[in-house]
Amino acid sequence: GAVVSQHPSRVICKSGTSVKIECRSLDFQATTMFWYRQFPKKSLMLMATSNEGSKATYEQGVEKDKFLINHASLTLSTLTVTSAHPEDSSFYICSAKPLSETQYFGPGTRLLVL
Amino acid sequence: DAKTTQPPSMDCAEGRAANLPCNHSTISGNEYVYWYRQIHSQGPQYIIHGLKNNETNEMASLIITEDRKSSTLILPHATLRDTAVYYCIVSGAGRRALTFGSGTRLQVQP
Repeated sequence: GAVVSQHPSRVICKSGTSVKIECRSLDFQATTMFWYRQFPKKSLMLMATSNEGSKATYEQGVEKDKFLINHASLTLSTLTVTSAHPEDSSFYICSAKPLSETQYFGPGTRLLVL
Repeated sequence: DAKTTQPPSMDCAEGRAANLPCNHSTISGNEYVYWYRQIHSQGPQYIIHGLKNNETNEMASLIITEDRKSSTLILPHATLRDTAVYYCIVSGAGRRALTFGSGTRLQVQP
């Protein structure tokens, strides 16, 4: 199947700093990528849809100024958590869909804000 | 997208078949049934999907009832590495995000 990568796999940062997470489709082009967040023992929750060359679409309750999404190329989307706080600590997962019907997920990025 | 209902947890003996049920009684005619699993601290892994017909691949089989209101994922010979949360998701074609429910936590026992 298609491969989606994320970097970094885990990051620890101080409160108030910004953290960038990269999501790459390694063997296909993706005009659309999705960002999810998962808290411990909970299911994945969609945060936003990242569209190449245009603005991201955010789900209700997700602050677009806090979670900046950039989809600058057909293989790369980035999520920047600005002014991170401890409550932003979570598992962030991206996904992308090639021309097939199947959506593929990255391995996730674990963020810990101290 | 149609809502799905899955049992919260199941146990299975190693080497036996694991049968994971999913109800999706409000599924529409153009919606697919997808199965993913998530092993602890990893991203979801695609398993299989289908529209109407039963499907089989190297990982599992998917049995969809004739009325499409329910389906069963079958892992023919479960191993300890199959211990994970299994998600049944119903979604239409196109570039839409998938909506995850609570899934079924499968514990394969030695």
